[in-house]
Amino acid sequence: QKEVEQDPGPLSVPEGAIVSLNCTYSNSAFQYFMWYRQYSRKGPELLMYTYSSGNKEDGRFTAQVDKSSKYISLFIRDSQPSDSATYLCAMNNAGNMLTFGGGTRLMVKP
Amino acid sequence: GAVVSQHPSWVICKSGTSVKIECRSLDFQATTMFWYRQFPKQSLMLMATSNEGSKATYEQGVEKDKFLINHASLTLSTLTVTSAHPEDSSFYICSARIQPTGELFFGEGSRLTVL
Repeated sequence: QKEVEQDPGPLSVPEGAIVSLNCTYSNSAFQYFMWYRQYSRKGPELLMYTYSSGNKEDGRFTAQVDKSSKYISLFIRDSQPSDSATYLCAMNNAGNMLTFGGGTRLMVKP
Repeated sequence: GAVVSQHPSWVICKSGTSVKIECRSLDFQATTMFWYRQFPKQSLMLMATSNEGSKATYEQGVEKDKFLINHASLTLSTLTVTSAHPEDSSFYICSARIQPTGELFFGEGSRLTVL
């Protein structure tokens, strides 16, 4: 079993839809949680960074962490075609390596 | 967010030659940088951890003599693919960690094609 599980997709939604992307993990020591967006042939771009449990909102993006369930989510409101990309979750302990999910490919159709 | 610059973004070379890729943190100092490899439609694979002023730490299965890493300053790490072969063709991405938050920022990636 992988430490971080993420559905590879592809996830196809119409423009304007609310998108929910999720990861589950097994290591209860993870404290820092990140979401990256990666466009084709580009390096990953940090979208959201959260520490411990709770919600964090930034524009159309909301990150949720539920440590009791070992489950994190990224919500995208009013999705746009420009949101089409691969979304990677990542997490770690303080000072340790990041562990990445495999990425979910999202396609937002106009 | 912090900026990590990677150069070149695209390189084609002949089999047997060596290629150097640079990774720079432009607006912060990074004692630790990371090098990844990514094949099409696959996730990032950590190759090595680059430590400023000391030897890099390689992941299992990564040939340290083939992928030479140098982290000579707090803002620059280099990856040299020595005696490149077609199977080394891939997308190489570096990242740097900003302290004290630990957020990781990535470069734009370097696409290597070995003919």
